[in-house]
Amino acid sequence: ETGVTQSPTHLIKTRGQQVTLRCSSQSGHNTVSWYQQALGQGPQFIFQYYREEENGRGNFPPRFSGLQFPNYSSELNVNALELDDSALYLCASSPGQDPPGEQYFGPGTRLTVT
Amino acid sequence: GENVEQHPSTLSVQEGDSAVIKCTYSDSASNYFPWYKQELGKGPQLIIDIRSNVGEKKDQRIAVTLNKTAKHFSLHITETQPEDSAVYFCAASWGLNNAGNMLTFGGGTRLMVKP
Repeated sequence: ETGVTQSPTHLIKTRGQQVTLRCSSQSGHNTVSWYQQALGQGPQFIFQYYREEENGRGNFPPRFSGLQFPNYSSELNVNALELDDSALYLCASSPGQDPPGEQYFGPGTRLTVT
Repeated sequence: GENVEQHPSTLSVQEGDSAVIKCTYSDSASNYFPWYKQELGKGPQLIIDIRSNVGEKKDQRIAVTLNKTAKHFSLHITETQPEDSAVYFCAASWGLNNAGNMLTFGGGTRLMVKP
């Protein structure tokens, strides 16, 4: 088990609503990455936060946004939910170092959009 | 951007046999290649990784090989056990900077180990 925790475990939202997902990183890790995993597929990189700033972004629209807090925990916000946003959302923490360290994943939040 | 292809999509082996999963990547700048195991209802678990300055790495029953010229890498599991049954993902990355990697994942391999 990694020290990465995510909340909530599951949630159901209606199309057009907004959602906030939360992640607490492993102790000593200052980098958090978010991934979207559709059913039966590999995770897809959404963005990464390092020391409270966005450090890189995948091919996701601006309605996907995030924050990182001084304790290195993080939030993923999704506005104007669409049916295709239904997926497992994973966060992964890693130590900021050179070369970049390993990423450890949390259990995920299962989002269903109806 | 990076593209990672993974084969096979499903693999069934008898307990005690070996299992091999192969991945190819497209971006020659990629320099970090982790493998993850994902069990039902859980997040991916890092099982082994390799960096581009190394050709092979082994950890007990698990080994990974990397051929940078051909842009492919493989996971080898020996003496498979029923608890090895899971979905395995390969990934490739180049460091965004010293903060972290942006991982591009393959499509996954469902490994079934029959007792």
